[in-house]
Amino acid sequence: DQQVKQNSPSLSVQEGRISILNCDYTNSMFDYFLWYKKYPAEGPTFLISISSIKDKNEDGRFTVFLNKSAKHLSLHIVPSQPGDSAVYFCAAGFAGANSKLTFGKGITLSVRP
Amino acid sequence: KAGVTQTPRYLIKTRGQQVTLSCSPISGHRSVSWYQQTPGQGLQFLFEYFSETQRNKGNFPGRFSGRQFSNSRSEMNVSTLELGDSALYLCASSLASGLINEQFFGPGTRLTVL
Repeated sequence: DQQVKQNSPSLSVQEGRISILNCDYTNSMFDYFLWYKKYPAEGPTFLISISSIKDKNEDGRFTVFLNKSAKHLSLHIVPSQPGDSAVYFCAAGFAGANSKLTFGKGITLSVRP
Repeated sequence: KAGVTQTPRYLIKTRGQQVTLSCSPISGHRSVSWYQQTPGQGLQFLFEYFSETQRNKGNFPGRFSGRQFSNSRSEMNVSTLELGDSALYLCASSLASGLINEQFFGPGTRLTVL
């Protein structure tokens, strides 16, 4: 049972435009959500997180939106840059100790120059 | 500060063999988690160790095991390898257990089972 779903395997956008990456989850008890970026031959790197008590968190060009009623979160990248081309993973879990991360399968973002 | 290191980076084994992968966390980090990444399943949590104790475990068979040493270095072992065990195995370290502590990933060990 895939508790965190990234239904679109890939996304292609023009440099300078907005990239919107979507993620859905099924476990309504999840209260902490994260996005990771992964380049080939490297491990994932943390991008941004959001707690369930918030509906938006912003860090530079990256903004994560959380819609708890829809069990949906999205990552917005504005403006998109060619260096943003990577695989993006959505992950969810519980903020307490001894919690494990449940990851989606990832979305491959390509930003065209 | 050195990042998370994993050895070896690449490994080829045959079915039925066993394998041991190693992870050295960032200095000062006491929590180490292991993940398996495959094209079909994405990243799946294997287990987490904190202060030499397994804190959490994912849904993997008992062939997958791990341990953590007093210096926080961790190893994972897979016995009786199967073709389906071919994957990228990622290790991540954090200061403490709990998701609010940022996890830093190593580059992974690419295991191929023939």
